[in-house]
Amino acid sequence: EPEVTQTPSHQVTQMGQEVILRCVPISNHLYFYWYRQILGQKVEFLVSFYNNEISEKSEIFDDQFSVERPDGSNFTLKIRSTKLEDSAMYFCASRGGGTDTQYFGPGTRLTVL
Amino acid sequence: AQSVAQPEDQVNVAEGNPLTVKCTYSVSGNPYLFWYVQYPNRGLQFLLKYITGDNLVKGSYGFEAEFNKSQTSFHLKKPSALVSDSALYFCAVRDRSSGSARQLTFGSGTQLTVLP
Repeated sequence: EPEVTQTPSHQVTQMGQEVILRCVPISNHLYFYWYRQILGQKVEFLVSFYNNEISEKSEIFDDQFSVERPDGSNFTLKIRSTKLEDSAMYFCASRGGGTDTQYFGPGTRLTVL
Repeated sequence: AQSVAQPEDQVNVAEGNPLTVKCTYSVSGNPYLFWYVQYPNRGLQFLLKYITGDNLVKGSYGFEAEFNKSQTSFHLKKPSALVSDSALYFCAVRDRSSGSARQLTFGSGTQLTVLP
């Protein structure tokens, strides 16, 4: 069964550093998402991406964040200058056209020191 | 704005007993409702969804959920719990009137522990 994959599983970085979280969505899916979950809190929507552009973004997704689909398979989330409060589990998800079901990856745990 | 409430952080049930994990929602229009499960060190796995039609929805691993519009609830149920059902369960909602992005709003999660 196809799965969404994410790398790395755990990323530790220093405050102020740039990080790139990587995702490989399910191959025939068209819609891509990033969510995050701060420890002990809800899973929160960050951004959605379709047809090579952002379709929706939340208030959390400020100028420090960017997304990219650099090739036909990868979908990345970049945090330009990490803050302590960016420490969270980041989930990538993808969805095919004509369906509402999003399929999630295993997440990347980001720890900002 | 849409929201989801999972009033119980923790649910404990004995193996073989029925289980219920509660979820209530708030949306401005008609809802699409989802349940996801998260096992340790794994991603969110889709269990089931309600879009339209029969209020009782059947999903993976013997789980089902009942949509109740008057109570704005979508409780997850299973007639006979297994120890392997122990995991973190998330309810999520999408407002049908939301845009093409169709992003989900999640509840805070309920940790289900099935005791042998």
